[in-house]
Amino acid sequence: GAGVSQSPRYKVAKRGQDVALRCDPISGHVSLFWYQQALGQGPEFLTYFQNEAQLDKSGLPSDRFFAERPEGSVSTLKIQRTQKEDSAVYLCASSPGVAGYTDTQYFGPGTRLTVL
Amino acid sequence: TQLLEQSPQFLSIQEGENLTVYCNSSSVFSSLQWYRQEPGEGPVLLVTVVTGGEVKKLKRLTFQFGDARKDSSLHITAAQPGDTGLYLCAGERGSQGNLIFGKGTKLSVKP
Repeated sequence: GAGVSQSPRYKVAKRGQDVALRCDPISGHVSLFWYQQALGQGPEFLTYFQNEAQLDKSGLPSDRFFAERPEGSVSTLKIQRTQKEDSAVYLCASSPGVAGYTDTQYFGPGTRLTVL
Repeated sequence: TQLLEQSPQFLSIQEGENLTVYCNSSSVFSSLQWYRQEPGEGPVLLVTVVTGGEVKKLKRLTFQFGDARKDSSLHITAAQPGDTGLYLCAGERGSQGNLIFGKGTKLSVKP
C-alpha cells in the first residue's frame, strides 16, 4: 500500500526497558510528525521533522524520548527506560510539503505500547 | 488544560437520527480540522475550515467554523451505522502544522 506504515503494531515492554518504534512515511513526503495518544484522549504532538531536520521537539515529555530521521524518510522514535505512564498509542503522520494548514497530514495506524 | 473542548464525549443514537458535535476553545486558530478515527487505525482527515463563518458540506456531514475562529461544529444528518467512530477536532498551532487535538467524541450509531 501507499499509506504510512508503522511497526511494530503492538509492543509490550517491562518497565525500564528501551523500545524503538518505526515509521515509514508516504514516499516523497517532506514532513513527518509523531503524536502520542493516551487511552480516551486525542493525539498530542511530540515532534516534527522537515526532511532529516528535527525542527520542533517541544512535545517530547522527557529526555527519555528521542526521535530521528537520518535520511529524511524512515523515522524512529526511541523511548529509554520506559515507565508505565508511557503506555499509549504512538501515531506517525506525514505530509507532502513543508508543514502548514494547507497540507494534509496522513496518519499511520499507530503502535500500541504497553509498559508493565 | 485542554485547549480544545469537545462535547459530548460520548453519543449513542439510532440510525436515521441527526446529531451535532461541538468543538470549543478560548484560543483563536488559523484553521480547524475534523478527523474520524476507527479502532486500531490513525485519524483520517474529513475537512479543514479556514475562514470565520465558513460552512462546508461533505454528503450528510456539515461543518461550521465560528465567526471568531474559536469554535466549530459537525452536524450529521440521518446517521448511519457506518458513521460510528471517534470524531476529533484539531487546531493548527504555529506555522509548522503542529496540531492540537480535542479529546474526541465517540459516536455509536445503532441499526
